[in-house]
Amino acid sequence: NAGVTQTPKFRILKIGQSMTLQCTQDMNHNYMYWYRQDPGMGLKLIYYSVGAGITDKGEVPNGYNVSRSTTEDFPLRLELAAPSQTSVYFCASSSRQAGGYGYTFGSGTRLTVV
Amino acid sequence: QQQVKQSPQSLIVQKGGISIINCAYENTAFDYFPWYQQFPGKGPALLIAIRPDVSEKKEGRFTISFNKSAKQFSLHIMDSQPGDSATYFCAAIENGSGNTGKLIFGQGTTLQVKP
Repeated sequence: NAGVTQTPKFRILKIGQSMTLQCTQDMNHNYMYWYRQDPGMGLKLIYYSVGAGITDKGEVPNGYNVSRSTTEDFPLRLELAAPSQTSVYFCASSSRQAGGYGYTFGSGTRLTVV
Repeated sequence: QQQVKQSPQSLIVQKGGISIINCAYENTAFDYFPWYQQFPGKGPALLIAIRPDVSEKKEGRFTISFNKSAKQFSLHIMDSQPGDSATYFCAAIENGSGNTGKLIFGQGTTLQVKP
């Protein structure tokens, strides 16, 4: 029972480069989310999805894109990386049927843009 | 603006003491208030949660107190242990916009329990 798996765990990007953060869940959850965590700021929602083919913006979507072609996968794309995107990124999934909106978080991707 | 405000930012408690973390919210549409515990290098993990129709919920050494009229809730950790040293986040579910289950987080509190 892997839960939510994120890859890579660490990455250093140069300004202007692009990359995709991978997220996969094996719990058949319909809802998936991407958050970024910055010191003293808590977690901010970037994008979310309520099912395959359906995505929507969260609080801080600028500079990011997502897709949801399958229930299991929810990759986050960074185009033209900027230093402001240096952060720790967390993917999460949840199921309404779990009761109480039970969220499962991945272990995170620490991204540094230099 | 910060929809869920959390304090203090950091907290140091002696082993055996009581740790108290406070949160306040504005949006009366929130209908679920979880607390998450996060250890370094790990993702947040659900610790305990409460709904606004209940004033208190206790699970072991962890208790949530909820004041609906004041729009405040708090986490109490009784008999705090060094293993409780972690970052704690309060959160709220935004119950609207088609019930997307989006979590809104507080800023986080770093707790250190000294032996």
